[in-house]
Amino acid sequence: SQQGEEDPQALSIQEGENATMNCSYKTSINNLQWYRQNSGRGLVHLILIRSNEREKHSGRLRVTLDTSKKSSSLLITASRAADTASYFCATDQASGGYQKVTFGTGTKLQVIP
Amino acid sequence: DGGITQSPKYLFRKEGQNVTLSCEQNLNHDAMYWYRQDPGQGLRLIYYSQIVNDFQKGDIAEGYSVSREKKESFPLTVTSAQKNPTAFYLCASSWNTYTGELFFGEGSRLTVL
Repeated sequence: SQQGEEDPQALSIQEGENATMNCSYKTSINNLQWYRQNSGRGLVHLILIRSNEREKHSGRLRVTLDTSKKSSSLLITASRAADTASYFCATDQASGGYQKVTFGTGTKLQVIP
Repeated sequence: DGGITQSPKYLFRKEGQNVTLSCEQNLNHDAMYWYRQDPGQGLRLIYYSQIVNDFQKGDIAEGYSVSREKKESFPLTVTSAQKNPTAFYLCASSWNTYTGELFFGEGSRLTVL
């Protein structure tokens, strides 16, 4: 089962605008991560936020986490055409003494030059 | 260069045949994962392994099998019991299953004819 659900499923913006993607999840987590995937390629890690953190920045990326609402958002500022990709959130869940990482359904971002 | 290598990149199989996808990492990571991605969808966890000679079923393990005889290798066999095997398969690794950040290979696309 999918732990996370991203919203919106697809987003199209002009270059220079900001892009915001949201992720909701179901169970308690230790960490939440965001990944990027170019079409037909593997995923690339962008940023990790721990459950005791509320906000984190990395370059043009800003991630927020609200554990009370079980939600996170990824903001990409001053978008570029090269940001066109799918973005996924991932959460870790305790499972029988192990931690497994499960992914959301993704947001497909198109940045128009 | 350190990384994860998946092979083959493209694979065609006739119905009823088993096929094995290779995943090798030289990052010295303990944990390894297999995910399946269907068109326009998120990643679903097939199997994961925290340590050599140990692995756990993910959310969609039926019709798949794995082995973890060496730290650097985690092959996935798609058996004839898998009813709908056509998909994009992604292998990943991490230092362990508790500290997040997954490193992904470039994927293997399996098509059943």
